[in-house]
Amino acid sequence: KNEVEQSPQNLTAQEGEFITINCSYSVGISALHWLQQHPGGGIVSLFMLSSGKKKHGRLIATINIQEKHSSLHITASHPRDSAVYICAAPHYGGSQGNLIFGKGTKLSVKP
Amino acid sequence: EPEVTQTPSHQVTQMGQEVILRCVPISNHLYFYWYRQILGQKVEFLVSFYNNEISEKSEIFDDQFSVERPDGSNFTLKIRSTKLEDSAMYFCASSPPTGLGKEQFFGPGTRLTVL
Repeated sequence: KNEVEQSPQNLTAQEGEFITINCSYSVGISALHWLQQHPGGGIVSLFMLSSGKKKHGRLIATINIQEKHSSLHITASHPRDSAVYICAAPHYGGSQGNLIFGKGTKLSVKP
Repeated sequence: EPEVTQTPSHQVTQMGQEVILRCVPISNHLYFYWYRQILGQKVEFLVSFYNNEISEKSEIFDDQFSVERPDGSNFTLKIRSTKLEDSAMYFCASSPPTGLGKEQFFGPGTRLTVL
């Protein structure tokens, strides 16, 4: 059974700052999800990645499968990036099946 | 872009009442999931569904819960006799049929309030 840990739990940044959120997991996987939860509660999938790096706009996700660690970076942060960012990994490892979620990182970007 | 939809967005019910939460997954997806998030806590897995049957369920998913795909498009979660502790945000997700590491696409959630 996988366990997913995220840090930090809360993060406050000034607009324009570079943000890093970290995620580690205990069971080897080949795909990890990064999700964004809006203040209203809805969840949006940002990335699913299995190796290396993925980039979408100002968001960059990296994963090191050997070290069981992933990071989400936000470049040139903006107040609209304020949300909870959650990483999730397959419950039993591998790449499929139901997900185990981290507790999330609450990001607040001040203008 | 196709998306997962859920109805209602907010459901208020009395303790002991039955509720049905509805989801319409993305049309060519074959794997379906229900998750829930109690306020202030992390998202938890409830049940997964494939080929018209439950493929896995968590210990939360007891006899009070059931899932159904009644008509090939809807995917429902029924709670037979709601308890106060069932108050949570319920998320439906679906995955496509092929490919390594099936990405899960989440619906916007249904906020269930049990009074």
